[in-house]
Amino acid sequence: DTAVSQTPKYLVTQMGNDKSIKCEQNLGHDTMYWYKQDSKKFLKIMFSYNNKELIINETVPNRFSPKSPDKAHLNLHINSLELGDSAVYFCASSQVLGRGEAFFGQGTRLTVV
Amino acid sequence: SQQGEEDPQALSIQEGENATMNCSYKTSINNLQWYRQNSGRGLVHLILIRSNEREKHSGRLRVTLDTSKKSSSLLITASRAADTASYFCATDANQAGTALIFGKGTTLSVSS
Repeated sequence: DTAVSQTPKYLVTQMGNDKSIKCEQNLGHDTMYWYKQDSKKFLKIMFSYNNKELIINETVPNRFSPKSPDKAHLNLHINSLELGDSAVYFCASSQVLGRGEAFFGQGTRLTVV
Repeated sequence: SQQGEEDPQALSIQEGENATMNCSYKTSINNLQWYRQNSGRGLVHLILIRSNEREKHSGRLRVTLDTSKKSSSLLITASRAADTASYFCATDANQAGTALIFGKGTTLSVSS
């Protein structure tokens, strides 16, 4: 039973398109995150949600909009995709914001062509 | 802003050898964690060490923490080919409302 699952695993799309990545956790955690991992494997926090409320929004273009319909879900919608958006996006969750073990999804490899 | 810096960036060893990776960070922390990432997979938590601890063991893993130097090390003893992965340290800044900050990682290759 996968703890944090995100779909799709691979996403190839053209510049200018809009796409969404879905994430669900079945751990009962209060906090969920989106991280972006670039080609050099550097992981950068994008958003943090606690009980469906946005807590952290790092310097991310407005084209990225997270949506949390409930505590167990945190989706990422990206408008007007650009070449530079190509990366691996990871969803994660933890019991408490920024504390303790974080559980990661398998990642979504986004390729913008 | 980036918190952790791992060193070395890449490490290649033979099976049976020990692997040591280092991590340095900038701000005061509550905890420091180490994660492993296999190729094409998500990160998996390995071990957490609290700021008031100096050393922690888990199986073949040994983690040390020196808060005065703002550094940590991860030692994997008797390495196996299955240990081939990227290893990241992550810190939680000693302030409310911040997410885990990850370093750039060390890529470990263990050859048989």
